[in-house]
Amino acid sequence: KAGVTQTPRYLIKTRGQQVTLSCSPISGHRSVSWYQQTPGQGLQFLFEYFSETQRNKGNFPGRFSGRQFSNSRSEMNVSTLELGDSALYLCASTLGAAEETQYFGPGTRLLVL
Amino acid sequence: GDSVTQMEGPVTLSEEACLTINCTYTATGYPSLFWYVQYPGEGLQLLLKATKADDKGSNKGFEATYRKETTSFHLEKGSVQVSDSAVYFCALSPGANSKLTFGKGITLSVRP
Repeated sequence: KAGVTQTPRYLIKTRGQQVTLSCSPISGHRSVSWYQQTPGQGLQFLFEYFSETQRNKGNFPGRFSGRQFSNSRSEMNVSTLELGDSALYLCASTLGAAEETQYFGPGTRLLVL
Repeated sequence: GDSVTQMEGPVTLSEEACLTINCTYTATGYPSLFWYVQYPGEGLQLLLKATKADDKGSNKGFEATYRKETTSFHLEKGSVQVSDSAVYFCALSPGANSKLTFGKGITLSVRP
């Protein structure tokens, strides 16, 4: 079974631009979570979607948003990029309602110049 | 709120040495506990997990036991290999449908 895939793997943007990252979960998994990883803050939870509904949200500004489609694929969007948004963005999928083990993708490395 | 504390790193060991990476947590209730590993340039891989007190998770020679009385989940391996060089993260989940809370991670380097 294929793992979690994320596209693109690398991205360079300039301040003020916006970016959209994509995540395809493991086949059959219905929950997708997003995390930001930076050297200073470590791994921080952004949000989680299940059946196209956001169930949990971390402490990030409204510039960070996401959505999930009917096939469980998810996208996250960051508008008005800031230098501090440079990070590795990780997506994780979970089987469903009663499962808590999260399986991570390889991440998208975003550099904001 | 929930938190995970890992020992300070980095850690450098010679091949075949014993490894212990300390992890303690603070959480209400009975969280599930995880160890994830991150190899250079990659995402996180689940190494092992334990879902209740006294459970022992094990994988690839690594072990960790869920100790509720000491709120700990220390990672151990009897004989490390060069290929074990990576960053190790301890994490907890308070339950299904919940976010993971991670420790800061620790870098392990194993010398031949």
